[in-house]
Amino acid sequence: DTAVSQTPKYLVTQMGNDKSIKCEQNLGHDTMYWYKQDSKKFLKIMFSYNNKELIINETVPNRFSPKSPDKAHLNLHINSLELGDSAVYFCASSQGRNGDEQFFGPGTRLTVL
Amino acid sequence: DAKTTQPTSMDCAEGRAANLPCNHSTISGNEYVYWYRQIHSQGPQYIIHGLKNNETNEMASLIITEDRKSSTLILPHATLRDTAVYYCIVRSSNTGKLIFGQGTTLQVKP
Repeated sequence: DTAVSQTPKYLVTQMGNDKSIKCEQNLGHDTMYWYKQDSKKFLKIMFSYNNKELIINETVPNRFSPKSPDKAHLNLHINSLELGDSAVYFCASSQGRNGDEQFFGPGTRLTVL
Repeated sequence: DAKTTQPTSMDCAEGRAANLPCNHSTISGNEYVYWYRQIHSQGPQYIIHGLKNNETNEMASLIITEDRKSSTLILPHATLRDTAVYYCIVRSSNTGKLIFGQGTTLQVKP
C-alpha cells in the first residue's frame, strides 16, 4: 500500500505546453505539500494545503497552480512550461498543519524540451 | 527559520556508528530540529526530531546540546542501505515549512 503516490513518475514535454501532476495520500492526513528539487538537488517547498485551504504559498510563478479537490488529493497544474521548470517534483503529506513528520511521495521527474 | 550548517560529505564503515553533526547557532526557543534523509532517486524520509531533549527511535538517536546550538544524528550500526543525503532542518512550531539545505552525503562503505 503506497502512502503517498504521484502520477506520472516521468513526464517529458515541450516548452509552452500545459501539464498536470497528480498526488494522492491514503494516510488520512490533513495537510499536503508540493516541493521542487532542481538539478543542483536543492529541495524547496512550493505550496501547502490544509483541508483544501492554501496555507503556504512560496514565491512561485503564477503558471503553477495547485488544486485540492479533497484533502486526500493535491494536484499541481503548470501552464506554459519553460525549460527552467525541469526538475523533480515531490508531493508530501502530514497529519497536522505544522508539518510534523512529512511523508513524501516517490517524485515526478519533469523534463521540458 | 534558523539556518543549519552540515559537512558536505562523510564516510562510515559498515556496522559502525555514523555520527552526523549539525550546527544551528541561531535557533530560537520554539524551533525544532528535524532530520530527514534522501536515498538516491527517492523522496525524502523522516528520521527523527527533537526540541531540547535527546530522542531515540528505531532508526536513530538525536543528541541536542544543552545550549541547542548544535546536534548530532547517530545511526548506531550503519548499513550500506543508509547511504544517502542527510538533512538537518530547523523548523518553527508555527509553520509546516521545511527548509532543506545541502545536507551531508553519507557514504557507508563495506
